[in-house]
Amino acid sequence: QQQVKQSPQSLIVQKGGISIINCAYENTAFDYFPWYQQFPGKGPALLIAIRPDVSEKKEGRFTISFNKSAKQFSLHIMDSQPGDSATYFCAATSGSARQLTFGSGTQLTVLP
Amino acid sequence: SQTIHQWPATLVQPVGSPLSLECTVEGTSNPNLYWYRQAAGRGLQLLFYSVGIGQISSEVPQNLSASRPQDRQFILSSKKLLLSDSGFYLCAWTLGSHGYTFGSGTRLTVV
Repeated sequence: QQQVKQSPQSLIVQKGGISIINCAYENTAFDYFPWYQQFPGKGPALLIAIRPDVSEKKEGRFTISFNKSAKQFSLHIMDSQPGDSATYFCAATSGSARQLTFGSGTQLTVLP
Repeated sequence: SQTIHQWPATLVQPVGSPLSLECTVEGTSNPNLYWYRQAAGRGLQLLFYSVGIGQISSEVPQNLSASRPQDRQFILSSKKLLLSDSGFYLCAWTLGSHGYTFGSGTRLTVV
């Protein structure tokens, strides 16, 4: 059972544009929502994260918007750069063992 | 500072051969440890996690097993590899209050 649904599967954006990736979850026990960035052949790296008591978190060009009632959250990348081209995963965690459930990933390509 | 080491980086193994992938964490104590597998072009699937020495939880029944012989060591094993075991294996750790830190991964190809 997929508990975190991510869209789109792929995204092409022009340099300087805004990239938006959306995720929806089902399990209301999730209490931490990170986003990971993965370059080819590398492990995912934590990009930004949010807790459900906050509706928005911004770090530089990256912003998470969180809608608890709709059980949705999204990543916005402002002023997208070719160096942002990577695969992005949303995730959610709960439980004492803090197991992460990942979305299926979005392959972002930023054209120069 | 904390670091995570995972090896080998790449591995080509014949069907039916054994497997042992090792992951170690430095600079922390009693971390939660995880093994994930990523098939080509796909998401990350949790295989095993451990909250302490000798404590292993399996998420997916399969041809693999895991062990945690020491606090900061996590090992993924198989007695006989299958073609379907090919993938990118990632180890990760957390202390619980923050996101995971992933290792650099092992690309396993079973031929």
